Amino acid sequence: NAGVMQNPRHLVRRRGQEARLRCSPMKGHSHVYWYRQLPEEGLKFMVYLQKENIIDESGMPKERFSAEFPKEGPSILRIQQVVRGDSAAYFCASSPQRLADFTDTQYFGPGTRLTVL
Amino acid sequence: AQSVAQPEDQVNVAEGNPLTVKCTYSVSGNPYLFWYVQYPNRGLQFLLKYITGDNLVKGSYGFEAEFNKSQTSFHLKKPSALVSDSALYFCAVRPYTGTASKLTFGTGTRLQVTL
Repeated sequence: NAGVMQNPRHLVRRRGQEARLRCSPMKGHSHVYWYRQLPEEGLKFMVYLQKENIIDESGMPKERFSAEFPKEGPSILRIQQVVRGDSAAYFCASSPQRLADFTDTQYFGPGTRLTVL
Repeated sequence: AQSVAQPEDQVNVAEGNPLTVKCTYSVSGNPYLFWYVQYPNRGLQFLLKYITGDNLVKGSYGFEAEFNKSQTSFHLKKPSALVSDSALYFCAVRPYTGTASKLTFGTGTRLQVTL
């Protein structure tokens, strides 16, 4: 059973370009979470999605950032017009679908390290 | 709002000695508590979690954690450290109630195990 997959593992963008980060959850998982880790800091929650729905986006910056989890295909975190402050490791996690069950463990992917030049 | 504190940036232990990595939390209602480990340039690996029941939780690689409700703590422990345990350890919390499923992480504790 493959784990959570993220690609690319490393992404370099120049200021003003767009960055697209992809996350494929574990098989059988339909909940996806995105977290950002700045250098020497812990992980900060960004957004929680289920298939075709954004459940909680309280951690997403108001501008330039968006996320989706379509019915088919991976979840995408999109950052438009990147700035140097966006440089960070972006981690995706997934958990299984269990209604009204808050005990699910989140399993993390290897992360995408974004560098903005 | 929930929060997690990991008061030590780094813990140094000699191989074979017991180790403790501290974590305290703040959350409305009952907590769900987690420990993850991160090796360099890797993602987070799940170690263990506390949901309910026995206050001593056993996890992967010989790690265990003790939930203490009165002290709002969830310290990670291992009876005998290995050099290969050297990594970054994160404590995380989720609230028991509501629909929030996000994890709130501490800032991490770097464990250094030396020969």
